Amino acid sequence: DVKVTQSSRYLVKRTGEKVFLECVQDMDHENMFWYRQDPGLGLRLIYFSYDVKMKEKGDIPEGYSVSREKKERFSLILESASTNQTSMYLCASSPTAGRAGAGGYEQYFGPGTRLTVT
Amino acid sequence: GEDVEQSLFLSVREGDSSVINCTYTDSSSTYLYWYKQEPGAGLQLLTYIFSNMDMKQDQRLTVLLNKKDKHLSLRIADTQTGDSAIYFCAEWARATNKLIFGTGTLLAVQP
Repeated sequence: DVKVTQSSRYLVKRTGEKVFLECVQDMDHENMFWYRQDPGLGLRLIYFSYDVKMKEKGDIPEGYSVSREKKERFSLILESASTNQTSMYLCASSPTAGRAGAGGYEQYFGPGTRLTVT
Repeated sequence: GEDVEQSLFLSVREGDSSVINCTYTDSSSTYLYWYKQEPGAGLQLLTYIFSNMDMKQDQRLTVLLNKKDKHLSLRIADTQTGDSAIYFCAEWARATNKLIFGTGTLLAVQP
């Protein structure tokens, strides 16, 4: 089974702090994603990565950056946390199109990190 | 642009069937997915359907796809209290190489 783990389930940080959210997957997937989930807005893509050291902006990258130094690890960084970044953060991974299984491009999700910025 | 829409809430009685609906805009979508999110957890892939199919059945789950109307539905037969969760519809947007998620439908199952 694919396993995607996230470093923390719950985090409380102060405004202005630098915050690191870590995500690790164990299935040798090329693609990794960071989303935030807010009530009534569904999942919004922050950043994604197709390979080591590669990153692409998603729909809401402002205020965030990412790092992918190793294939299995994708980190989301909040350079200076603000209260409007209080949210549930979800990491996901998927294989490349060429290696996609019968389900195409399905993504596998971690359990999420609920971040509160006070 | 791509957009996926779902109703926000559905309430059913235990033992009844639930039908969760979704509409999408990208006519070139090749794969469409249903995910389930239980309270405090991440998203779990429930099932998917390829765009050349009209229907897919998997135990209590039936997915119906109407490509002409860009309408996708998930039917859960004999709904149980353990089915209470948020259900997300998602389409694979070929143009942007991204999964586009709906806002999610909260399914509440009354005993």
